[in-house]
Amino acid sequence: EPEVTQTPSHQVTQMGQEVILRCVPISNHLYFYWYRQILGQKVEFLVSFYNNEISEKSEIFDDQFSVERPDGSNFTLKIRSTKLEDSAMYFCASSEDRLGSDTQYFGPGTRLTVL
Amino acid sequence: AQSVTQPDIHITVSEGASLELRCNYSYGATPYLFWYVQSPGQGLQLLLKYFSGDTLVQGIKGFEAEFKRSQSSFNLRKPSVHWSDAAEYFCAVVANDYKLSFGAGTTVTVRA
Repeated sequence: EPEVTQTPSHQVTQMGQEVILRCVPISNHLYFYWYRQILGQKVEFLVSFYNNEISEKSEIFDDQFSVERPDGSNFTLKIRSTKLEDSAMYFCASSEDRLGSDTQYFGPGTRLTVL
Repeated sequence: AQSVTQPDIHITVSEGASLELRCNYSYGATPYLFWYVQSPGQGLQLLLKYFSGDTLVQGIKGFEAEFKRSQSSFNLRKPSVHWSDAAEYFCAVVANDYKLSFGAGTTVTVRA
């Protein structure tokens, strides 16, 4: 069964450093998402992406964040200058279509720890 | 804006007993409703979803959920819990903005 994959599974970085989190969505999916879950809190939407541009972003997704689909398979989230409060689990998701009923399939997540 | 409430932070249930997890949503129209499960160290796996039709939906792993419009609820149930059901369960809603809004989650502990 096709699945969303994410690398690395755990990333430790120093405050102020740049990090890139990588995702490989399901191959025939067209819509891509990033969510994050700070420890003990809700899973929160960050951004959605379609046709090589951002469809929607939350207030969390400020200028420190960017997303890119550098090739036909990868979807990346970059945090330019990490802060302590960026420590969280980051989930990538993809969906075939953008219907409200369409299932978003999630990857296993990348745990980002900012020291 | 839509929101999801899961009133129970933590539920402990004996193996073989029934389980019900509560979910209430706030949205003007009928939203699309989902239940996801997150096992320790794992990602979010879809258990089931509702978007129209029969209000009782069946999912994977023996779970079912019932949509009740009058109560704005979408409670998840399983008749007989297995130890492997110990996990965190998230109710989520998609409104007209295509993004998932999650509840805070309910942690289920299964005792032998």
